[in-house]
Amino acid sequence: AQSVTQLGSHVSVSEGALVLLRCNYSSSVPPYLFWYVQYPNQGLQLLLKYTSAATLVKGINGFEAEFKKSETSFHLTKPSAHMSDAAEYFCAVSANSGYALNFGKGTSLLVTP
Amino acid sequence: DAGVTQSPTHLIKTRGQQVTLRCSPKSGHDTVSWYQQALGQGPQFIFQYYEEEERQRGNFPDRFSGHQYPNYSSELNVNALLLGDSALYLCASSRGASLITGELFFGEGSRLTVL
Repeated sequence: AQSVTQLGSHVSVSEGALVLLRCNYSSSVPPYLFWYVQYPNQGLQLLLKYTSAATLVKGINGFEAEFKKSETSFHLTKPSAHMSDAAEYFCAVSANSGYALNFGKGTSLLVTP
Repeated sequence: DAGVTQSPTHLIKTRGQQVTLRCSPKSGHDTVSWYQQALGQGPQFIFQYYEEEERQRGNFPDRFSGHQYPNYSSELNVNALLLGDSALYLCASSRGASLITGELFFGEGSRLTVL
């Protein structure tokens, strides 16, 4: 079964600082990996996804993630945090042959002035 | 272009009751998936409907059932409600069933409280 673990339920960064949100996966087959963002009282929005093409994936809002098979990781980064980046971030891995997602527990990102 | 719409946005039920949640997919989408998000947790896959049939199912009991109509809208039904069913129920739609080639678009959810 495929699963993901997000390290750190809360991350706080200063505005302008690097954002690093960690995700490690467990999968018996080559995984498909996703990052979603959830703003308060809203649904989830896809930031980016890895589907076995380039290992460095660029997404929306300046976010990117790198698939590292040797480390079973898919960490999300952004060079410079904005106040508007404050939200809940979820890493997910595909399940059921790509028809459903197994989500991690999420990381709440706080951006301070 | 309207996105995924869900109703109701909030509702309160008591243990043992039944509830129906509704979802209209994004225009052009034919596949609907339902997820349960408990407080402080990530969403958990309940099931997926495509061509009016349940195609995939997560680890949820038979108390959870669904339906998809010819216009692709969908319902989630939960019978014999338990306190533990209190959660945000998210509907997501896509064009086609595969998440590899497609993308899930989520609604804002229906928040169910069971007392």
